Amino acid sequence: KAGVTQTPRYLIKTRGQQVTLSCSPISGHRSVSWYQQTPGQGLQFLFEYFSETQRNKGNFPGRFSGRQFSNSRSEMNVSTLELGDSALYLCASSSDTASSYNSPLHFGNGTRLTVT
Amino acid sequence: GESVGLHLPTLSVQEGDNSIINCAYSNSASDYFIWYKQESGKGPQFIIDIRSNMDKRQGQRVTVLLNKTVKHLSLQIAATQPGDSAVYFCAENTGGFKTIFGAGTRLFVKA
Repeated sequence: KAGVTQTPRYLIKTRGQQVTLSCSPISGHRSVSWYQQTPGQGLQFLFEYFSETQRNKGNFPGRFSGRQFSNSRSEMNVSTLELGDSALYLCASSSDTASSYNSPLHFGNGTRLTVT
Repeated sequence: GESVGLHLPTLSVQEGDNSIINCAYSNSASDYFIWYKQESGKGPQFIIDIRSNMDKRQGQRVTVLLNKTVKHLSLQIAATQPGDSAVYFCAENTGGFKTIFGAGTRLFVKA
């Protein structure tokens, strides 16, 4: 099976702009999670989706949003970019079901976002 | 608050020696624990997991130990190799459709 695919791999944006990142999960996986990784804060949970429904959300401002499509592909959007949004954004999928959340995450290689 | 902390930020071992990476978790309700390995330029990769009804699980060259009494998790790597050099994260599931990651430990393997 193909792994988790994230596009684009690198992005450079300026403050105030918005950005959309894309994630294609492993075939058959319906749970998709997003994380922000920075040297100072480590891996911070953004949100988790299952069957187009957000089941949990991390402590990020409303500028960070996401969605999941019927084919389980997911996107996240960051509006009004700030310098502090520069980070590696990681997407992960799992084989979890509607009622369970006890399977390992399978990560993509991330999108490196730089805000100038 | 929510956190999964690691005792040491870096660990340096000689090739062929065993490595032990430790982790403390804070949520006693967590029921599923996972170790991930992250190499430069890549996303974290699943290594091994353990559920709260177990205290030890073995894989190929890796063993995870869980001590629920003191909320402690450890990853043991046998016969450490240069390819094991990476950052290792422990993570926990608290049942709320969220996986919480620790700060990470960087493992250096000296040839």
